[in-house]
Amino acid sequence: DAGVTQSPTHLIKTRGQQVTLRCSPKSGHDTVSWYQQALGQGPQFIFQYYEEEERQRGNFPDRFSGHQFPNYSSELNVNALLLGDSALYLCASSGPEAFFGQGTRLTVV
Amino acid sequence: DQQVKQNSPSLSVQEGRISILNCDYTNSMFDYFLWYKKYPAEGPTFLISISSIKDKNEDGRFTVFLNKSAKHLSLHIVPSQPGDSAVYFCAAVTGTASKLTFGTGTRLQVTL
Repeated sequence: DAGVTQSPTHLIKTRGQQVTLRCSPKSGHDTVSWYQQALGQGPQFIFQYYEEEERQRGNFPDRFSGHQFPNYSSELNVNALLLGDSALYLCASSGPEAFFGQGTRLTVV
Repeated sequence: DQQVKQNSPSLSVQEGRISILNCDYTNSMFDYFLWYKKYPAEGPTFLISISSIKDKNEDGRFTVFLNKSAKHLSLHIVPSQPGDSAVYFCAAVTGTASKLTFGTGTRLQVTL
């Protein structure tokens, strides 16, 4: 049984570009949450999806958007990338004892 | 506004000894607390949790203590093993919401 899988594992983008990160939750898990972990910080909650709808949202600008598909997989989209968006992006399925993926390391140059 | 704080960025402990990792919180609405362990290039892994109605939860070598009046929790690892070397995050949840509020983490190094 695969756990939470994220793709890609690493990504380099230029300021102003747009990026899409993908997540497949653990089998049978219908809730997906996204977190941003900046260097030296703990993960910060971005938003959570359940039944294809955004259920909760953290303190992130509208440049951060998401989507959940009928098979429970999810995407995180970030528009107009800033240097400060460089971070590890983590996807977690269900909760609160959430199962995390290995993350996508996004570098904005 | 850091609602969950881990004031020790790092901790070094000898193998076989006790490791004590501390966490403080400010939001009195938090009612469920968790510890996660993170190795480099991996996502956080759930370790142990405690509900606010308890003051202690034990799982093998890991014990979490909660002091609600002090808004403080701690994770004890006994005995510490080299494989325990990782970054440990404290996290908190309010009610039925599953949004996790994390601390900044403590890097534990267990030396031989």
